[in-house]
Amino acid sequence: EAGVVQSPRYKIIEKKQPVAFWCNPISGHNTLYWYRQNLGQGPELLIRYENEEAVDDSQLPKDRFSAERLKGVDSTLKIQPAELGDSAVYLCASSATRYTEAFFGQGTRLTVV
Amino acid sequence: GDSVTQMEGPVTLSEEAFLTINCTYTATGYPSLFWYVQYPGEGLQLLLKATKADDKGSNKGFEATYRKETTSFHLEKGSVQVSDSAVYFCALSNFGNEKLTFGTGTRLTIIP
Repeated sequence: EAGVVQSPRYKIIEKKQPVAFWCNPISGHNTLYWYRQNLGQGPELLIRYENEEAVDDSQLPKDRFSAERLKGVDSTLKIQPAELGDSAVYLCASSATRYTEAFFGQGTRLTVV
Repeated sequence: GDSVTQMEGPVTLSEEAFLTINCTYTATGYPSLFWYVQYPGEGLQLLLKATKADDKGSNKGFEATYRKETTSFHLEKGSVQVSDSAVYFCALSNFGNEKLTFGTGTRLTIIP
């Protein structure tokens, strides 16, 4: 069974440019998470979806970040415009329900120059 | 708010040595506790978990016991192997707050 798939694996952009990350969760998983992991730190939750609904986006910087999960399956996280401080690894995870084990993708490493 | 404090790394051990990685937490309520592992080039994987006080989680020779009185969840392994080299994250999740709060991670390197 395929795990959580993220793309791209790596992205380098100039500041003020837009960027988007894509996540395909494990089939049948209703809950989807986006985490951000800064260098030398643990991941921090940005947003959690239950099916199509964003049920916890309290940590998402809404002035420049947006996310969507169309049809309750794939999800896209966007940053516009990117800032130097956005350089990090962006992790997507999914779980069957919000109470069960979360499985993580390999992440997208973003470098803003 | 909830927080996790992990033993700072990096940690370097010889093969077959005993491993302890310390983890303490601050949380309201009765959190579930986890250890995740990140092998080079791979995503985070759940290593073990415990959902209530005095529970012991175990997997692949690793163990951790949920100690409510000391708010700790230390990771141990009796004899490490080179293949255990990875970054280890302690984490917690509170019921009704379905997100993982992670520690900063501990990089473990095992030398032959």
